[in-house]
Amino acid sequence: EAQVTQNPRYLITVTGKKLTVTCSQNMNHEYMSWYRQDPGLGLRQIYYSMNVEVTDKGDVPEGYKVSRKEKRNFPLILESPSPNQTSLYFCASSFGSENQPQHFGDGTRLSIL
Amino acid sequence: QKEVEQNSGPLSVPEGAIASLNCTYSDRGSQSFFWYRQYSGKSPELIMSIYSNGDKEDGRFTAQLNKASQYVSLLIRDSQPSDSATYLCAVALKKVTFGTGTKLQVIP
Repeated sequence: EAQVTQNPRYLITVTGKKLTVTCSQNMNHEYMSWYRQDPGLGLRQIYYSMNVEVTDKGDVPEGYKVSRKEKRNFPLILESPSPNQTSLYFCASSFGSENQPQHFGDGTRLSIL
Repeated sequence: QKEVEQNSGPLSVPEGAIASLNCTYSDRGSQSFFWYRQYSGKSPELIMSIYSNGDKEDGRFTAQLNKASQYVSLLIRDSQPSDSATYLCAVALKKVTFGTGTKLQVIP
């Protein structure tokens, strides 16, 4: 089954404790992206990757890191999480580029105390 | 000015009516346009994509694009209660920018 898999689905943690949210897709997609979704602000792109070793900032990259060492994986790293990063996070992928429809993971609900 | 603007709603329509959802965008260079549906607590799922001016129909859904007016819309014919969700407009130009979504309520 074609899918984008995020882990964990839920996480409660504390300020300053480094965490990684994993994202993996099995569709051989080139383009991968991370979003956060907050009430009233909608979906905002954090980082995107056009292909392996090619990443670029989206609209809200501050406080996040990403890497794309393999085509299928695109982890999101919060090196020193803060409460304002409490949000619902989605990973998405698309074939080719951002000009193709994206497939979304089920989301990760992150709470930082 | 927001890059992608949508009326947040809620937009309430009776069952069987046509629901009209609108979206405007600011970047004239935008190349690709998408409508996603998101049920509460779920991830967005693609409804329609449109790349050139005019209408594109898929079942009960019609997307309309007018690049000169920087406007994209989604029409849902014969609206059903199961169409009740938030509809997200997205515009792509290297990065992808989403509107904040329009909440649609279809009243039985």
